[in-house]
Amino acid sequence: DTAVSQTPKYLVTQMGNDKSIKCEQNLGHDTMYWYKQDSKKFLKIMFSYNNKELIINETVPNRFSPKSPDKAHLNLHINSLELGDSAVYFCASSQTYNSPLHFGNGTRLTVT
Amino acid sequence: SQQGEEDPQALSIQEGENATMNCSYKTSINNLQWYRQNSGRGLVHLILIRSNEREKHSGRLRVTLDTSKKSSSLLITASRAADTASYFCATDAENQFYFGTGTSLTVIP
Repeated sequence: DTAVSQTPKYLVTQMGNDKSIKCEQNLGHDTMYWYKQDSKKFLKIMFSYNNKELIINETVPNRFSPKSPDKAHLNLHINSLELGDSAVYFCASSQTYNSPLHFGNGTRLTVT
Repeated sequence: SQQGEEDPQALSIQEGENATMNCSYKTSINNLQWYRQNSGRGLVHLILIRSNEREKHSGRLRVTLDTSKKSSSLLITASRAADTASYFCATDAENQFYFGTGTSLTVIP
């Protein structure tokens, strides 16, 4: 019973392509997030959604767009991929904004 | 930046020894959390300590918080090889979490 699941686990693609990463949580949490972890393991928040409303949007290029069809899903769409987008992307959820985060196992994106 | 910073960046100890990791942050917080990340996996929540608490225990974990120094420490007692992982502190401020860059702990059997 995976609490937060994201697919795919690995994604290799060429510059300029458009790709999506899917995330689903079965914890009944109200808030979901996308984080980016770079090669130095630095974790930076990209987006969070609370009850289908975007409440945080850090300085992320508009090539990245979150889509939440319902409270249990938060997908990440990336257009015109660039080399610098290569990283591990983590989906997470929490009951409220300051309660513990539950992470998925990550999607390793490699842009060639 | 409100990012936390862990110290040391890397730590290598023998099984059975204690491991101490420190976290410093920059702004006032509501709570501070510690997470563990095994290689190739997502982060797992370990413990949460609120700003009005000074110390908290969970099994072999002991966390302290000094809000006057804006710092926290995570102590793992009687370490095991399975404790090998990266450990991150996260602080909440302005409705989001800020993570540090982590301490990479290696426990040698």
